[in-house]
Amino acid sequence: EIVMTQSPATLSVSPGERATLSCRASQSVSSNLAWYQQKPGQAPRLLIYGASTRATGIPARFSGSGSGTEFTLTISSLQSEDFAVYYCQQYNNWPPAWTFGQGTKVEIK
Amino acid sequence: QVQLVESGGGLVKPGGSLRLSCAASGFTFSDYYMSWIRQAPGKGLEWVSYIDSSGSNIYYADSVKGRFTISRDNAKNSVFLQMNSLRAEDTAVYYCARVLAGGPSGLPDYWGQGTLVTVSS
Repeated sequence: EIVMTQSPATLSVSPGERATLSCRASQSVSSNLAWYQQKPGQAPRLLIYGASTRATGIPARFSGSGSGTEFTLTISSLQSEDFAVYYCQQYNNWPPAWTFGQGTKVEIK
Repeated sequence: QVQLVESGGGLVKPGGSLRLSCAASGFTFSDYYMSWIRQAPGKGLEWVSYIDSSGSNIYYADSVKGRFTISRDNAKNSVFLQMNSLRAEDTAVYYCARVLAGGPSGLPDYWGQGTLVTVSS
């Protein structure tokens, strides 16, 4: 099983500041990495796939980078609606065996 | 717009069964693979099962293999999860998700709002 490890567990950021979230895979997943945002009581929302491609309707302040085992999600200028939990997910297996990171909570500083 | 609506969750005793349903709309259902993903209360996300567009190829997480069965009805734009021999550790919100093509297995792009399954005596 590919283990996904996110850091930090919690990130305290002021509105307008930049947030940088990390995700590490226990083995290479190439660029088959996605990021999701989840707010309390809501389903996850796809933000980024292919490590760096924004999903439909996702604002440009969200960007993803990395390949292999090290990935980063950057939110360039945090808005109030961006405070949430963010998950990374790898989809590099066939047959499918998707695995998710444990999440990073972005909270208001 | 894409909509996925789950139903069928509830409280069940250990060893019991439940059948979850997910009704899809806003896209050509028969063109897409579908999946179930769960989230235990206050915890992270765990992939459960995956079905291709025709229903011919099906995969399960080891944690549910032999107990859960995924199926679909393309005429009714629905995907199902039959859950048998339920355990306390199956307690979670269960999400159905559409699979976006990409990489070896695709990835979940649109998710339903989820249905809560509680396994407790």
